[in-house]
Amino acid sequence: GESVGLHLPTLSVQEGDNSIINCAYSNSASDYFIWYKQESGKGPQFIIDIRSNMDKRQGQRVTVLLNKTVKHLSLQIAATQPGDSAVYFCAEYVSGAQKLVFGQGTRLTINP
Amino acid sequence: NAGVTQTPKFQVLKTGQSMTLQCAQDMNHEYMSWYRQDPGMGLRLIHYSVGAGITDQGEVPNGYNVSRSTTEDFPLRLLSAAPSQTSVYFCASSYRGLRGRNTIYFGEGSWLTVV
Repeated sequence: GESVGLHLPTLSVQEGDNSIINCAYSNSASDYFIWYKQESGKGPQFIIDIRSNMDKRQGQRVTVLLNKTVKHLSLQIAATQPGDSAVYFCAEYVSGAQKLVFGQGTRLTINP
Repeated sequence: NAGVTQTPKFQVLKTGQSMTLQCAQDMNHEYMSWYRQDPGMGLRLIHYSVGAGITDQGEVPNGYNVSRSTTEDFPLRLLSAAPSQTSVYFCASSYRGLRGRNTIYFGEGSWLTVV
């Protein structure tokens, strides 16, 4: 069945270091994948997405990598800042089903 | 979360009571949806709508009803609240559904506790 999961439920990094958040998915027929950031008490916010026919996409301080061979997705955050503390979700768009399948989430904490 | 407004923010219900969670967007988005988020979990789709007058079920529709009489509003009704419906509810909207790289906007959430 469809599932999107995350390897690590928590991740702690030093301020200024790079963060890498991982995600595994099982459905090969998705159109694209999205990363969301959710701060405490708020709704998810779009960070970046990537089409299934791409391997890499870069945004401002963020990079998403897609490895379709092993069905793995990662979000890299450069020079992590205190404001990056949040729960990060990957979500997979299921083609034709008009829905996103969300992973469990990874909580990113920044150590000063 | 500009443009998607949810009310109420917090609500406590007794088992068996009914209530409606309101969602409104002012971006003229065709697609609207409701998700629930349980502790330590991702979001699960309850119901969605691709336009006024059209609704469909998501992954976890039981115990919930929706209607879409206008483009702007997409209320979620709990018919007879149960403790299992204690959760955080998020409304989301986007311009043309989920096809293509359309940004999906989420509301700030409604915290519901059923006792």
